[in-house]
Amino acid sequence: EIVLTQSPATLSLSPGERATLSCRASQSVSSYLAWYQQKPGQAPRLLIYDASNRATGIPARFSGSGSGTDFTLTISSLEPEDFAVYYCQQRSNWPPLTFGPGTKVDIK
Amino acid sequence: QVQLVQSGAEVKKPGASVKVSCKASGYTFTSYYMHWVRQAPGQGLEWMGIINPSGGSTSYAQKFQGRVTMTRDTSTSTVYMELSSLRSEDTAVYYCARDKSSEYYDILTGSIGLYYYYYMDVWGKGTTVTVSS
Repeated sequence: EIVLTQSPATLSLSPGERATLSCRASQSVSSYLAWYQQKPGQAPRLLIYDASNRATGIPARFSGSGSGTDFTLTISSLEPEDFAVYYCQQRSNWPPLTFGPGTKVDIK
Repeated sequence: QVQLVQSGAEVKKPGASVKVSCKASGYTFTSYYMHWVRQAPGQGLEWMGIINPSGGSTSYAQKFQGRVTMTRDTSTSTVYMELSSLRSEDTAVYYCARDKSSEYYDILTGSIGLYYYYYMDVWGKGTTVTVSS
């Protein structure tokens, strides 16, 4: 089973700042990695798939990069609605599909 | 619009079973795989398995093998997830989520195929299952 590790666990930033979130895989997942955003009481929302492709309707301030074992989600300038928990998910080697433990982006 | 509507909250006793439904609308039901993902209180996301609504084939996470059954009813565009031998650790929000897919043109056969991404692009609102004596 591929284990995903996310860092930091919590990121405290102010609106307008740049957020950089990391996801590391226990073995190579090529580019088969997605990012999701989840707000309290809501279902997750797909942001990025295959490492760098924005899902439908996702603003350009969200971008993804990386391949192999190291991936980054960048939010170029935080909007108030971006404060949430972010999860990565791999589909390279399954079952099972696996998620990272999440990074919480909260307001500083 | 594309929508997944899940059944309501459940409270079950340890050892019982629960069956959660997920009714799809706004798209061709049999063209998109469906995932089930759960989230325990204050915890992360955990993938349980996937079903192909067209033929009914399934793949489950080993953790749930023997306890989970995913089925579908094409006449009502509904998928079901049944979890048996419930224990307190199964207390969670259970989500159905459609697999992201896209059509492609197969130049060799001249037909349209579907490429499955095994990511989740449309989610239900979740069903809370509480297991308590």
